[in-house]
Amino acid sequence: DAGVIQSPRHEVTEMGQEVTLRCKPISGHDYLFWYRQTMMRGLELLIYFNNNVPIDDSGMPEDRFSAKMPNASFSTLKIQPSEPRDSAVYFCASSYTPASSSYNEQFFGPGTRLTVL
Amino acid sequence: KQEVTQIPAALSVPEGENLVLNCSFTDSAIYNLQWFRQDPGKGLTSLLLIQSSQREQTSGRLNASLDKSSGRSTLYIAASQPGDSATYLCAVKGLGSWGKLQFGAGTQVVVTP
Repeated sequence: DAGVIQSPRHEVTEMGQEVTLRCKPISGHDYLFWYRQTMMRGLELLIYFNNNVPIDDSGMPEDRFSAKMPNASFSTLKIQPSEPRDSAVYFCASSYTPASSSYNEQFFGPGTRLTVL
Repeated sequence: KQEVTQIPAALSVPEGENLVLNCSFTDSAIYNLQWFRQDPGKGLTSLLLIQSSQREQTSGRLNASLDKSSGRSTLYIAASQPGDSATYLCAVKGLGSWGKLQFGAGTQVVVTP
């Protein structure tokens, strides 16, 4: 398997523009997570999905952020309008939960480095 | 609210020394604890996952222990190498927050030749 795939790897945009980040989870995984990493705040969970359904979006900073998972192999994180303080590395991760176990190791993508000027 | 702390924030050791990285958490009601490695500009790589019922896990030169009652986990890396230089993060999955990981800030490790 190719692992978790994210695109683009780098994004530079101007304040006010819409930004869309994309993620393809590992095939067969039933959980998908979006994280944001900054020097000041470390790694923060923004939202996660189980079987394509959003379970917890309490980490989404404000209404400018939205996430969708239209099918098991694709998710997007959208920021509209973007602001300089949104500059960070955004990671997508996925995991699989066997029915009989609480074991679900998370596997991370390479991240998208977002710079908002 | 679960809080995860990693001390020290940075560590430098000469090659060949054993590394000891600490992780503490405030709420012992956890499903599991996971250790990750992050290289500069890269994503996170999972190293070890310890279930709440386990005391330790081993993989090659890596050994992670878990003492749930005291809220501590330790990652040991034997005979460190310059290639072990990276940031190491621990993350806890709590009961009642299925799937959600709470991360520590990480320990940045430099192994000097």
